[in-house]
Amino acid sequence: QVQLVQSGAEVKKPGASVKVSCKASGYTFTSYYMHWVRQAPGQGLEWVGIIKPSDGSTAYAQKFQGRVTVTRDTSTSTVYMELSSLRSEDTALYYCAREIVGAPRQFDYWGQGILVSVSS
Amino acid sequence: IQMTQSPSSLSASVGDRVTITCRASQSIDNYLNWYHHKPGKAPKLLIYAASSLQSGVPSRFSGSGSGTDFTLTISSLQPEDFATYYCQQSYSSPRTFGQGTKVEIK
Repeated sequence: QVQLVQSGAEVKKPGASVKVSCKASGYTFTSYYMHWVRQAPGQGLEWVGIIKPSDGSTAYAQKFQGRVTVTRDTSTSTVYMELSSLRSEDTALYYCAREIVGAPRQFDYWGQGILVSVSS
Repeated sequence: IQMTQSPSSLSASVGDRVTITCRASQSIDNYLNWYHHKPGKAPKLLIYAASSLQSGVPSRFSGSGSGTDFTLTISSLQPEDFATYYCQQSYSSPRTFGQGTKVEIK
């Protein structure tokens, strides 16, 4: 069965970096994009970025450009998201979600979410 | 592409028919998905490609529309349906979401 298992909660100070992971299983890792989506307290869902595991190509939301890096390790079917220069507004639940390469395009499986808290 | 949902919240009773609308700032053909989200849980895909029911999702959920205007309908609201609903366009990157519609118990 398809599973996206994310790493545990993180507590960071402003200005620090955080690197979280999403381990995929139960499907062909390179046949699906992996997205990162976050939800800040009291807010809606916000798209952060995407990686195509087959070639490592990435794209990021403009507001995170320069601060976010998404990478993958095909040997372990794991995707990583690193967010730097953390500020309090980055406190949020971070989800990974897969989307098949091709059509139709939808996020059919999601990770359980990682709480990243940024506080001095 | 901006996605705008209405209403932002609604109160309804078990058994009610509920309709949520989503409007895209430009045509997105039928690249529109609907998700259901409860606090602390992963969002769940309900409808993809505007009107296709995701496997395992109850048939009381349906979607319609194309171009810029879309609708999610719950034919008979059940207790487990009280949550926030999001539309999302997958026509282009970034994959933007609507602001959400919170469905609460009346």
